[in-house]
Amino acid sequence: QSALTQPASVSGSPGQSITISCTGTSSDVGSYNLVSWYQHHPGKAPKLMIYEGSKRPSGVSNRFSGSKSGNTASLTISGLQAEDEADYYCCSYAGSNTLVFGGGAKLTVL
Amino acid sequence: QVQLVQSGAEVKKTGASVKVSCKASGYRFTDYYIHWVRQAPGQGLEWMGIINPSGGTTSYAQKFQGRVTMTRDTSTSTVSMELSSLRSEDTAVYYCAREWTSRATDYWGQGTLVTVSS
Repeated sequence: QSALTQPASVSGSPGQSITISCTGTSSDVGSYNLVSWYQHHPGKAPKLMIYEGSKRPSGVSNRFSGSKSGNTASLTISGLQAEDEADYYCCSYAGSNTLVFGGGAKLTVL
Repeated sequence: QVQLVQSGAEVKKTGASVKVSCKASGYRFTDYYIHWVRQAPGQGLEWMGIINPSGGTTSYAQKFQGRVTMTRDTSTSTVSMELSSLRSEDTAVYYCAREWTSRATDYWGQGTLVTVSS
């Protein structure tokens, strides 16, 4: 179970849109529509932003959206705001009741 | 309201074991799986395993097979994670998290710092 691959860092200016990729394999991301995305501010508990690849939990801004193509899932944040600055992690079901996280992407709002 | 309250910070010697507990409240304990996730200093989130509080069945990440044991006590609505043969690389914040749906977690514990040193 190797970690999913995410860019180490992404950045954007307020109001812009950014996309964070999450590349796995045909054994995890490619095989299941069970990718979730978490926002993590240091010192706080991670917050669920997207589940089942593209669904938003109640209370999560519609500026956050998810998608998947093949073995790569993506998180797009539109209309960037200062409070979006955080670490973002993807997580995929990998079969046999196991999960695997991505390495995390640090989002900087310029 | 849903709460997951974890036990306090631990300092352990290399080779020892540590047991972290996670007490659930605000919902029916046996209705939701619990995951354990850790984050080492400067590193990302790492999934360790899952326990079904109803039947006690578990599944562990391959990396931790043979070193981790997850248990539950339905009388106290508590799940526990024990990690043995500790090494310095196990220094991390350990979280429990409730699975809400489709392998996605909604509520997380506050985290427990485990420090391993010789």
